[in-house]
Amino acid sequence: AQSVTQLDSQVPVFEEAPVELRCNYSSSVSVYLFWYVQYPNQGLQLLLKYLSGSTLVESINGFEAEFNKSQTSFHLRKPSVHISDTAEYFCAVSGNTDKLIFGTGTRLQVFP
Amino acid sequence: DTAVSQTPKYLVTQMGNDKSIKCEQNLGHDTMYWYKQDSKKFLKIMFSYNNKELIINETVPNRFSPKSPDKAHLNLHINSLELGDSAVYFCASSPTGETQYFGPGTRLLVL
Repeated sequence: AQSVTQLDSQVPVFEEAPVELRCNYSSSVSVYLFWYVQYPNQGLQLLLKYLSGSTLVESINGFEAEFNKSQTSFHLRKPSVHISDTAEYFCAVSGNTDKLIFGTGTRLQVFP
Repeated sequence: DTAVSQTPKYLVTQMGNDKSIKCEQNLGHDTMYWYKQDSKKFLKIMFSYNNKELIINETVPNRFSPKSPDKAHLNLHINSLELGDSAVYFCASSPTGETQYFGPGTRLLVL
């Protein structure tokens, strides 16, 4: 069985500060890893994904995540956040089925 | 261009009623899904269909019945609605085994 743990339910940070949202997973098979973002009262948008190849993946809006197999982690980072990054961030894993298993989400709150 | 669309966006109804939520995708994907997001924002898969065939059926009350008339549509019918069914329901689609793309969600409130 697979599971995802997002240790931080809320992360408050000031604008232009760096941020890291933590994600650890558990799986007995090879995995695909994803970060989705949900802005207030909106649906889920794919932020970035790891399927294979380079373990460092990037999004178009400055986020990056690194797949670390030995630590079973896929932490999300951004060197300088904006007010507009305020949202709920979900880490998710899928294995040899199409089922996405989500973490409980991390609320990123960016303050001016 | 809306890739994955859901109707209605909001649904307010009384306990005991029967309601349907519709989902359509214009991405040409083979697989479609329904997820439920509860009041604590926790997301859990309910069903998935591949080319109109049921693939995943999690432990969901049989009051919930998905129907896929063709591979571009996956509807969710809910009988005898209960207070605990209040949630946001998300439809998603993907090429088989690949990234899932989500619809905007349907916010269901059962009174």
